[in-house]
Amino acid sequence: AQTVTQSQPEMSVQEAETVTLSCTYDTSENNYYLFWYKQPPSRQMILVIRQEAYKQQNATENRFSVNFQKAAKSFSLKISDSQLGDTAMYFCAFTGSASVNFGNEKLTFGTGTRLTIIP
Amino acid sequence: NAGVTQTPKFRILKIGQSMTLQCTQDMNHNYMYWYRQDPGMGLKLIYYSVGAGITDKGEVPNGYNVSRSTTEDFPLRLELAAPSQTSVYFCASSSGTGGSAITYEQYFGPGTRLTVT
Repeated sequence: AQTVTQSQPEMSVQEAETVTLSCTYDTSENNYYLFWYKQPPSRQMILVIRQEAYKQQNATENRFSVNFQKAAKSFSLKISDSQLGDTAMYFCAFTGSASVNFGNEKLTFGTGTRLTIIP
Repeated sequence: NAGVTQTPKFRILKIGQSMTLQCTQDMNHNYMYWYRQDPGMGLKLIYYSVGAGITDKGEVPNGYNVSRSTTEDFPLRLELAAPSQTSVYFCASSSGTGGSAITYEQYFGPGTRLTVT
């Protein structure tokens, strides 16, 4: 079974600074997909960024980028020029090719990191 | 498109009562999911469906039932509510169609906060 671990329950950073959230995972699969979801106080789950394991290039979406280290099974999220609207819970999530190939795309989530941006 | 909608937003149940959480999506997605989120925790999969008439158990299915009679709707039934079912419930959907445009992105509803006392 896959597991996703987020070892930082809470983090805070000054507005405009850069912050990195950590995520490690365990799987025996060679191909899989990794995601970062954001959950603001409204509770809505919002996809921030995704990474496909067979792609060596790290994904980037505007101020959000990942550092994907496949051998180390690490998938960290970097937020640059942090903004007050970035305050939220951030969840790392995984779906493996076994789930995809069997046609269900189930996600396994980490326990989350609560990020607070300080004005 | 409304995306994924859930009703109700909040509900308080007494122990032993039953209720149905409604979920509807208008994106013509094949796959739908129910998750629960306990305080300070990530989301755990309760049940999922890969199409009308097809459902399967996730990680934490005990105490719940689902049905999928249409592509759009995926209700979650709680029978004999227990305090351990106090949680926030999220419904999600994904296209599940494969192909070059596949992203495996799941689209989430706004959640239902359920308290069982």
